[in-house]
Amino acid sequence: GDSVTQMEGPVTLSEEAFLTINCTYTATGYPSLFWYVQYPGEGLQLLLKATKADDKGSNKGFEATYRKETTSFHLEKGSVQVSDSAVYFCALRGSSGGSYIPTFGRGTSLIVHP
Amino acid sequence: NAGVTQTPKFQVLKTGQSMTLQCAQDMNHEYMSWYRQDPGMGLRLIHYSVGAGITDQGEVPNGYNVSRSTTEDFPLRLLSAAPSQTSVYFCASSYLGELFFGEGSRLTVL
Repeated sequence: GDSVTQMEGPVTLSEEAFLTINCTYTATGYPSLFWYVQYPGEGLQLLLKATKADDKGSNKGFEATYRKETTSFHLEKGSVQVSDSAVYFCALRGSSGGSYIPTFGRGTSLIVHP
Repeated sequence: NAGVTQTPKFQVLKTGQSMTLQCAQDMNHEYMSWYRQDPGMGLRLIHYSVGAGITDQGEVPNGYNVSRSTTEDFPLRLLSAAPSQTSVYFCASSYLGELFFGEGSRLTVL
């Protein structure tokens, strides 16, 4: 079945540092890929998405590129802020069998210090 | 713009009590789901529905019941609460693969 593997946290950075959170996936066909963010005490919200190979999703300074050859969708940001402290989830939605059920990674906690 | 609304936000139960977590969405989405979130476990799917009158089990369905009589509402029932059901519960609807989450319901079972 489909699966998503993302790096374990917590990731601890100083403000203005470069961020990478790795995400790799296993799926048949051409899944859609997502990054969700969960701020403390809140529900998850969509950060960015990509629906086909080589697409780049971007939002709020975050970027991720859909790499089919490496089955990856790594999240990057050039300069993190304290307000980016949150838990980040990589997810996919399969393209075969009409499945509506998304598959999530376990989440990566990001802590940004001033 | 309400989106997905969950009630209550907080609840404390005693072992053996029953209760219903309410979830409503105003986006006319066919797909709705319930997750629980526990430390170190990520999100685990409890039940989901692909439309009114259709429900199915997810990864961790035991101890929970759902029904979907309307497109808008997808309540989650705890039949006989156990301490292992202490968790944060999220309801979500979906459109074209994107999930829209409620703010969560924090449940403590004593």
